[in-house]
Amino acid sequence: GAGVSQSPSNKVTEKGKDVELRCDPISGHTALYWYRQSLGQGLEFLIYFQGNSAPDKSGLPSDRFSAERTGGSVSTLTIQRTQQEDSAVYLCASNVRGNTEAFFGQGTRLTVV
Amino acid sequence: GQNIDQPTEMTATEGAIVQINCTYQTSGFNGLFWYQQHAGEAPTFLSYNVLDGLEEKGRFSSFLSRSKGYSYLLLKELQMKDSASYLCAAYPSGGSYIPTFGRGTSLIVHP
Repeated sequence: GAGVSQSPSNKVTEKGKDVELRCDPISGHTALYWYRQSLGQGLEFLIYFQGNSAPDKSGLPSDRFSAERTGGSVSTLTIQRTQQEDSAVYLCASNVRGNTEAFFGQGTRLTVV
Repeated sequence: GQNIDQPTEMTATEGAIVQINCTYQTSGFNGLFWYQQHAGEAPTFLSYNVLDGLEEKGRFSSFLSRSKGYSYLLLKELQMKDSASYLCAAYPSGGSYIPTFGRGTSLIVHP
């Protein structure tokens, strides 16, 4: 597609439920990042995919968080047993390769009630 | 690890010039990016500095000093639409392509 696409744009879920967030990167971009942004805060790194290499999961805050990238394209971030502190905007970004401009999606605003 | 510092908030007047500073402390460094983020929107790329010096791009310029771990974003002829958060991000060296972002500087432009 023309840009990075994320869905849903908004998600309200009950505490304890699982959620899946989707990211469609720009075609041809081999690198994909997930970040989390809480109100008034910077971007918190979550996970990084590069081609067929093993992902860098060093930013995932707990084992309730996981992500996969199928076929080197679409990525899904899954949060199990959601907690209120998981409420944030989840941003996905992709770029052609490391150390180049990253293109961000519009984000998914997750609210856990 | 990496640590990025930038002011939380700045205000300026329409038509004026504003400089947003960013300092970084990294275990390795391979370039610095500036992004603009309007409220409720995705960050968009503004500039990328790898070498020391000033990069000019229209009303926006970005400066880097690698020896001082310092960068700034200079915005000239401010417009109301420049009100946004400005994020500084440093790329590490050593094969890790995960940029560390600062908390962002919220710029408010007054008429």
